[in-house]
Amino acid sequence: GAVVSQHPSRVICKSGTSVKIECRSLDFQATTMFWYRQFPKKSLMLMATSNEGSKATYEQGVEKDKFLINHASLTLSTLTVTSAHPEDSSFYICSARGPLEDTQYFGPGTRLTVL
Amino acid sequence: QKEVEQDPGPLSVPEGAIVSLNCTYSNSAFQYFMWYRQYSRKGPELLMYTYSSGNKEDGRFTAQVDKSSKYISLFIRDSQPSDSATYLCAMKASGTYKYIFGTGTRLKVLA
Repeated sequence: GAVVSQHPSRVICKSGTSVKIECRSLDFQATTMFWYRQFPKKSLMLMATSNEGSKATYEQGVEKDKFLINHASLTLSTLTVTSAHPEDSSFYICSARGPLEDTQYFGPGTRLTVL
Repeated sequence: QKEVEQDPGPLSVPEGAIVSLNCTYSNSAFQYFMWYRQYSRKGPELLMYTYSSGNKEDGRFTAQVDKSSKYISLFIRDSQPSDSATYLCAMKASGTYKYIFGTGTRLKVLA
């Protein structure tokens, strides 16, 4: 139980394009999902908290116009990196608040490379 | 001072050894303590979840929380090469969903 999927697992794009990453809770409903960014050999940095049916809450220093988050259903949240640049290259991981315990279950991550 | 401190390692041990991984923290409001295992280029996998102080055991894994010392530990018994990964501690206070993560400790179990 408590499986979270992400799609795509890897994406390479040209500078200036937009990339959408999907996060799905497969066997439970998640009213709250989270988006993280992880640099090599570094810990997870929370970017934003996504609540179903409402606007996402962004952490300080995260550009909300650049990282668009939509949580339109109880099983799907999307992160769109708009006008991506090489410095946006990173490992993006989503998580979903678990159904029974007050914890988070993580997706497998999406590796974004911007050329 | 970081809210959560964790030695990045790498920590190398022989197969079958007992591994001890630790985190210290400064925020006394933290009540929930988690350990995640992350393989290279994968998402973190929840290993242990503990509320408040005490011990919790699950198979070869034991989590300990000492709130008086603001210190948490994860013990791995009979370590296997498949345990080689980065182990992240995470914690949070009541009334918030926000986790604070340690930097992770890279563990290598040598066959």
